[in-house]
Amino acid sequence: GENVEQHPSTLSVQEGDSAVIKCTYSDSASNYFPWYKQELGKRPQLIIDIRSNVGEKKDQRIAVTLNKTAKHFSLHITETQPEDSAVYFCAAWNSGGSNYKLTFGKGTLLTVNP
Amino acid sequence: ETGVTQSPTHLIKTRGQQVTLRCSSQSGHNTVSWYQQALGQGPQFIFQYYREEENGRGNFPPRFSGLQFPNYSSELNVNALELDDSALYLCASSFGGEYTGELFFGEGSRLTVL
Repeated sequence: GENVEQHPSTLSVQEGDSAVIKCTYSDSASNYFPWYKQELGKRPQLIIDIRSNVGEKKDQRIAVTLNKTAKHFSLHITETQPEDSAVYFCAAWNSGGSNYKLTFGKGTLLTVNP
Repeated sequence: ETGVTQSPTHLIKTRGQQVTLRCSSQSGHNTVSWYQQALGQGPQFIFQYYREEENGRGNFPPRFSGLQFPNYSSELNVNALELDDSALYLCASSFGGEYTGELFFGEGSRLTVL
């Protein structure tokens, strides 16, 4: 089955710096890659996603890149702000066969220091 | 627009008991998926229901079962509870079934097994 590895597990940056979180996946049939942000005690919320026919997507300060050949995708946050502090999860959606499955990474705790 | 609601929010059970968790999907959504999130971990996909049929399942034993009703609400049932079943159970709704899009999560049901 699909395996999603996420690094680093914790990341601390200064306000205004950039943050990069990387994920790798194992199943080449995966074709949709969302990123979710989960603040302490809150529900996960989608911040950006990318489909396998696209290499890069940007939304204001957030961007995601996908390298299908290497099976890895990354989240880039520029000009970080304290409110960006949260746990970030990458995920891979696999629609191989008729068993649809979304596999999450273990998460990255991002701390933005003022 | 009504968001995803889950009940109960917290519950305590003893080993060997059975539990039923409930989820009301967001208006207009026809797909519900369930996740188990252990403390400090990413959500783990349990299964997905699309138009009342299970169309995706993760690596969970058969004692984890579910239902989706004609109004697209859903139940997660867990039989023969084990200590390791203690976790936050998240329900998410979406529109699409085979072609996933943004997941809208509920607040979760926190299950403690003693």
